[in-house]
Amino acid sequence: AQKVTQAQTEISVVEKEDVTLDCVYETRDTTYYLFWYKQPPSGELVFLIRRNSFDEQNEISGRYSWNFQKSTSSFNFTITASQVVDSAVYFCALSEAWTNDYKLSFGAGTTVTVRA
Amino acid sequence: GAGVSQSPSNKVTEKGKDVELRCDPISGHTALYWYRQSLGQGLEFLIYFQGNSAPDKSGLPSDRFSAERTGGSVSTLTIQRTQQEDSAVYLCASSSTGGLGPDTQYFGPGTRLTVL
Repeated sequence: AQKVTQAQTEISVVEKEDVTLDCVYETRDTTYYLFWYKQPPSGELVFLIRRNSFDEQNEISGRYSWNFQKSTSSFNFTITASQVVDSAVYFCALSEAWTNDYKLSFGAGTTVTVRA
Repeated sequence: GAGVSQSPSNKVTEKGKDVELRCDPISGHTALYWYRQSLGQGLEFLIYFQGNSAPDKSGLPSDRFSAERTGGSVSTLTIQRTQQEDSAVYLCASSSTGGLGPDTQYFGPGTRLTVL
């Protein structure tokens, strides 16, 4: 069963527009961790954020913000005032404590294209 | 400090040949993960090491795949009798463990394997 769903395959925006990436997860565990990674055209996965299931505070880091809602099992990511350098594939991932190894289950990714 | 390194960056091989992929984790990181990224399957977990032991090999797709880690550091992923469906980017990640919950996994640049 798919543990992480990123329903948006591709999003294209014009520079300075805001873009929100959706992530819905599924787990029976009460202790789990959620992550967002960015994969630019160079290919390397770059860590953006980690949240645990006990911390529902939203977070803002520069132009990036995250909205974690346990009630809807969602962990959405917003890029404000997008820039061309934000063009990349973004992955949401889930790590469950019961596995003891904390392996990541990734969503399929959302490709963001920011046009100048 | 140095990040996760992987070698080779690209590998082209003929069907039926064996290949070895190497991962050098971040110094001091005790946990090491191998993932595979392919067009059809997305990002999928292969194997996890804690120190030199591999308690979770559940993601290895067949008995042609094996991995080892020596000295709690460098890991080698070996694919025997390669098949065309093994073509993918193989990603290595490492994290420190201890404390509550997983530490962030940091990824290497990957090895792009092409089986002709």
